[in-house]
Order: sequence, then structure tokens, then C-alpha cells
Amino acid sequence: DGGITQSPKYLFRKEGQNVTLSCEQNLNHDAMYWYRQDPGQGLRLIYYSQIVNDFQKGDIAEGYSVSREKKESFPLTVTSAQKNPTAFYLCASSIQGGKVGETQYFGPGTRLLVL
Amino acid sequence: GQQVMQIPQYQHVQEGEDFTTYCNSSTTLSNIQWYKQRPGGHPVFLIQLVKSGEVKKQKRLTFQFGEAKKNSSLHITATQTTDVGTYFCAGPYTGNQFYFGTGTSLTVIP
Repeated sequence: DGGITQSPKYLFRKEGQNVTLSCEQNLNHDAMYWYRQDPGQGLRLIYYSQIVNDFQKGDIAEGYSVSREKKESFPLTVTSAQKNPTAFYLCASSIQGGKVGETQYFGPGTRLLVL
Repeated sequence: GQQVMQIPQYQHVQEGEDFTTYCNSSTTLSNIQWYKQRPGGHPVFLIQLVKSGEVKKQKRLTFQFGEAKKNSSLHITATQTTDVGTYFCAGPYTGNQFYFGTGTSLTVIP
């Protein structure tokens, strides 16, 4: 798994609640990413961060928020504004970010189900 | 915006048959990466192609990067049940943002 951990593996949420997904890496990577994967679809970028205290929106950032207070950690909050949050969420990291062609290392993912 | 299209979406093969998935970009790519995701798992990096016309092999897997650097293919010779999974190509956009293809889900029938 390349030293990236995500918790929990499964998460259930009631409609209208915010929920935070954890992502931690011990690879000393500068860049971290959050992707969303829906059944039968590819990965879509939610947010990414190339350095501590800085992050950028991806293609589908609406209804999500992130923070990057530590190099090792990049938590994702799924807010009640996200209308269709049920999905598989993948966190990834790469060495530097900003360098085209870097390999991304993925965590095991969190499956979020809204009840 | 940049798009990375991948075909087919699904492929069922008998064990021992060959398999190919194709990746096409709307723009020229500086490089392309391939990832494999086993059922219930997470994507794992397989390989990166950088040069125009580049061909790389990993045992039964052959990866090609088109001459125009806008398309790529992954070919598996004599599939095995261990090849089951979804194969994604990914092309870089700005900085280190990647656009992932929709993936090809491979089922191998024993």
C-alpha cells in the first residue's frame, strides 16, 4: 500500500451530516490527492495539495473541503452540500507534485454510504 | 478540457486468450501511465511511457505509446485469472494533475 492509510474502510452517513475521511502517509511525499470513484467509472479528482497549507480544487470539488496542516495528513470532509456522496474515495500521494509524470501511490480507499 | 477516453469499458475473455485496451487523449501527452485496480482494491502503478512510439514489456503485458503521443494501448498475451481487474490509463494535465481514463474492466473466464 505504499505507506498510505485511509480510515475507516467503510463509513455510513445520514443525510444532512458532514463526515471526515482520514488519509495519512509516511512516505515523506509533498503532494497528496483525493479522488472519487463511482461504479464502472474512472477516478475523478476532488482536491489536491502540493505543499502544506496549500491546496487546489479538482474537477468535482463542490460539496467537499480539505485541509493540509501537516505534511503527513490530508483529511477530506464530505459536507451536506454534496448531493450524491455515496462513492469510493481514494487518497493518493506523490513525491513532489508539480512535476509531470510522477507516480501516484494510492491508499486502500474508504467506501462511503449515505443512508 | 483534456479528456482521456478508454475502450472498451468491459471485456470478458477465456483464460489463455489475449486482451487489449486502448486509451486516447484529446491532446498530446508528455507521458502516459497505466494502473491496475483489482476488484475491491485500489489502483496500483504499472508503468509509465514517455517517448513517442515507445514500447515496454512486463512479462505478458505490452504497453505502447503512439507516435503522436495521443494514444496508448495495453496488450496482455495469454490472459490468466490473476489478470482480472480494471486497467486505467492516466495522462498528465497541468502540474501534477492527472486525468484518468474510464478504465477497462477485464474478466477472465477459467
